[in-house]
Amino acid sequence: EPEVTQTPSHQVTQMGQEVILRCVPISNHLYFYWYRQILGQKVEFLVSFYNNEISEKSEIFDDQFSVERPDGSNFTLKIRSTKLEDSAMYFCASSVDSNYGYTFGSGTRLTVV
Amino acid sequence: GNSVTQMEGPVTLSEEAFLTINCTYTATGYPSLFWYVQYPGEGLQLLLKATKADDKGSNKGFEATYRKETTSFHLEKGSVQVSDSAVYFCAFKTGNQFYFGTGTSLTVIP
Repeated sequence: EPEVTQTPSHQVTQMGQEVILRCVPISNHLYFYWYRQILGQKVEFLVSFYNNEISEKSEIFDDQFSVERPDGSNFTLKIRSTKLEDSAMYFCASSVDSNYGYTFGSGTRLTVV
Repeated sequence: GNSVTQMEGPVTLSEEAFLTINCTYTATGYPSLFWYVQYPGEGLQLLLKATKADDKGSNKGFEATYRKETTSFHLEKGSVQVSDSAVYFCAFKTGNQFYFGTGTSLTVIP
C-alpha cells in the first residue's frame, strides 16, 4: 500500500536554529498538508498546499513557518528560528483531492532544546 | 468554534473485553466524521468514517455511528485484542481541514 514517508523520525535542534522537515507524499496525490501534535494535546492543522501554493493555513502557521515543494516528490516544512514551544510531532499528509481521505505519514518528532 | 472532545485515557482492558471510546464534536454544518488509529511508531491510519447522519462506519470489528442529534461518534468494539493497543483519534473534516481530538491511548492486556 502506498505510504507517505517522513524524515527524519526524530530531530533535536537548538533554540534559534532552522529546521527542515521532509515528506514524500504519495506519487499521484495533489494535495499536501502539515499537522502537528504537541505532547498530550490535539493534532492541529498547520497548512494545506495545492498547485504549488498554500491554499489554507492556521493561526499557528506564522512567518516562522514556510512550505515548499522543491521538486516533483518532496514536500518540506521549514521553521526558520525554532522556539521551545515548537517541540511537537509533525505529521505530513497527502490526498488525491480535497474531499478524499488523507494518508498520513508516521511523523517527525521535533525536540527543541 | 470547531472542536472534538474525546474520552481521556489511558484505557486498559483485558483481552476480549468490550471497548467504548466516547467522542463528541462541535462543528458548523454536517461534517464527515472519522476515527484514526496510531500504532506505536507508525502514522495516523484511517480506521473508519461516516459521512452523514445515522451512517455506521465499521472496520476490523470496530464500529461508530454518526449521531447528529447528540453530535457524537462513539467508537465501540465487542471484543478487543492485544493487537488493538494503540492511540485512537476522533476527528471531523470540514472544508479542507481536519479537527482532531486529543487521542485516547488503549492498552489491551492478555
